[in-house]
Amino acid sequence: GAGVSQSPRYKVAKRGQDVALRCDPISGHVSLFWYQQALGQGPEFLTYFQNEAQLDKSGLPSDRFFAERPEGSVSTLKIQRTQQEDSAVYLCASSLSSGRPYNEQFFGPGTRLTVL
Amino acid sequence: KQEVTQIPAALSVPEGENLVLNCSFTDSAIYNLQWFRQDPGKGLTSLLLIQSSQREQTSGRLNASLDKSSGRSTLYIAASQPGDSATYLCAGLNTGNQFYFGTGTSLTVIP
Repeated sequence: GAGVSQSPRYKVAKRGQDVALRCDPISGHVSLFWYQQALGQGPEFLTYFQNEAQLDKSGLPSDRFFAERPEGSVSTLKIQRTQQEDSAVYLCASSLSSGRPYNEQFFGPGTRLTVL
Repeated sequence: KQEVTQIPAALSVPEGENLVLNCSFTDSAIYNLQWFRQDPGKGLTSLLLIQSSQREQTSGRLNASLDKSSGRSTLYIAASQPGDSATYLCAGLNTGNQFYFGTGTSLTVIP
């Protein structure tokens, strides 16, 4: 595709609900990243995939957060039993490779999650 | 953990002024440094990417420099325009492919 796309763009969930956020990276991009951006803050790293392998999940805030990329393209970030503190914009980014000079990251528009 | 600081947090300038945004980081072992623009309610748009072996990059009215030894990067915007109004974020990429972002500088260019 022309760029990274994310869906839904907006999600409102009641506390305790499970949500699934989707990311379609740029076609052919090997690396995929998820970030969480709270209001007024910079994005914070959540997790990183290289193809289908999740190489780093150190930024996931709790075991309620789970990400997958089973076929090495589309990725889903799942949040179970949502809490109010999960309210944020979730950004997805992809890059052609993890190695220079192809590691420039391109971001999607984000999914704004509001937990009531 | 890499800490990234951006100064100032907010900046308001009249149209036509040249301006400098600052970014400092604590760990000089960065892989690359990238400057982004974020418009309200939107995702991040990549502006400039500086690999660790480079000192600066230029694109149109934008120039970004990187000084790893002092842990600093600057984004220079020449002849600012109202359309430049946005939040500007810098991010350093470590060898573990983790990006560490600053909290951004909110720029307003007044017509």
